[in-house]
This record gives sequence, C-alpha cells and structure tokens, in this order.
Amino acid sequence: DQQVKQNSPSLSVQEGRISILNCDYTNSMFDYFLWYKKYPAEGPTFLISISSIKDKNEDGRFTVFLNKSAKHLSLHIVPSQPGDSAVYFCAAITSGNTPLVFGKGTRLSVIA
Amino acid sequence: GAVVSQHPSWVICKSGTSVKIECRSLDFQATTMFWYRQFPKQSLMLMATSNEGSKATYEQGVEKDKFLINHASLTLSTLTVTSAHPEDSSFYICSARVSGGYSNQPQHFGDGTRLSIL
Repeated sequence: DQQVKQNSPSLSVQEGRISILNCDYTNSMFDYFLWYKKYPAEGPTFLISISSIKDKNEDGRFTVFLNKSAKHLSLHIVPSQPGDSAVYFCAAITSGNTPLVFGKGTRLSVIA
Repeated sequence: GAVVSQHPSWVICKSGTSVKIECRSLDFQATTMFWYRQFPKQSLMLMATSNEGSKATYEQGVEKDKFLINHASLTLSTLTVTSAHPEDSSFYICSARVSGGYSNQPQHFGDGTRLSIL
C-alpha cells in the first residue's frame, strides 16, 4: 500500500514557465511533507517542507501548497530553469523520530 | 548545512564478496540513521532504521543477516552486504537526521553507493 503517490512519472516544461509537480497521500497522520530533488547517482537534496497545519510555504522560486481535505500537495517552480531538471520526490512523515515515506518521484525536464 | 558523507560511491565486486558501506554525518550528531535502497525508476525503499548504540530495526522483507547494520557512534553507521549476489546490485543511500528527531528536521542524504555484483 503506497502511502505517498506521485502519479506522473515525468514532466516536461519550457524554460521560464511554471513547473507543477503533484503528490497525493493516504495517511492522515502525516505531520510534515517534504520535497527532495535528486540528480542521477547522487543522494536526494532537501528542497522545501510544509507543516500539516499550513497550506502554503514559499522559498524563492519554490512554493509548496497543501490541501489537507484532498490529501494533496504540489510543488510549484517558477520560473523553471534548465538546472531544475532532476527527479523530484515527495515525502511525508508522522510525528516523532520516524523515517520519511517517499513517493516514486517525478522526472522534470526543463527545456531551454 | 548538514552534510552526510557516504563511501564508497561505487563498488564492483564478485559474487560472494562482502561489501561495507560507510555513512558519516560530518557536522552534526545523528542519533538515527536510515538506510535506503533504490532500484531503477523506483522510489527510495527504506531498508532499516539505525539507532546509535542499539540494534537496527529492519523493514519487512529485509534480511537482517544479509544486511548488517552497525551504528557505533553518533556520526557513523555502516551497512555490510554479506556474501553479495547479483540480485543485491542496487543503489544504496544512507540518511541522517539531526539528533532530537523532530519531524520538521529534514533528513539529509549521502550521495549513495552504486553496488554492482558480477
């Protein structure tokens, strides 16, 4: 049973436009949601997070939106840059010292 | 920022060999470290949770005797793949969280180890 789902395996966006990556979850006990970016043969890099009590968190070009009633979150990147091309993982965590639960990732390609 | 160092980055060895992977938190103490495995085009799958000074907690389906985890200090955890076989070939990634374990502290990841068993 996959608790964190990223239904789009890939996404292509033109440079300068907005990239929207989506993530759905099933566990209502998740406390925090995080987005990680991963390049090939490297470990994931933390990008941005959001608490379950918030609905939006912004950091520069990256904004994460959380819709708790729909159990859905999204990552917006604007403007998209070629260097943003990577695999983006949505992750979630319950309270306490528990490990992250990851989605399968979405490969973003930003075309110049 | 918090840095996690993982070595080696790439290992190629013969079937039957045991391989040790090290994971170090360089500038912070990590009470808990996590070991993940990633197959091509798949998500990161948690293998085990490693707590300093105690036995690791393995996820269902992960063989404890196959994947030996040691977390002897607050900055070092090791994963030993014993008697590795071709099906153990994968990308292994360690992760550490700053001690305290609050859920809003992001896990920091090493760069991973690509293990190829011939």
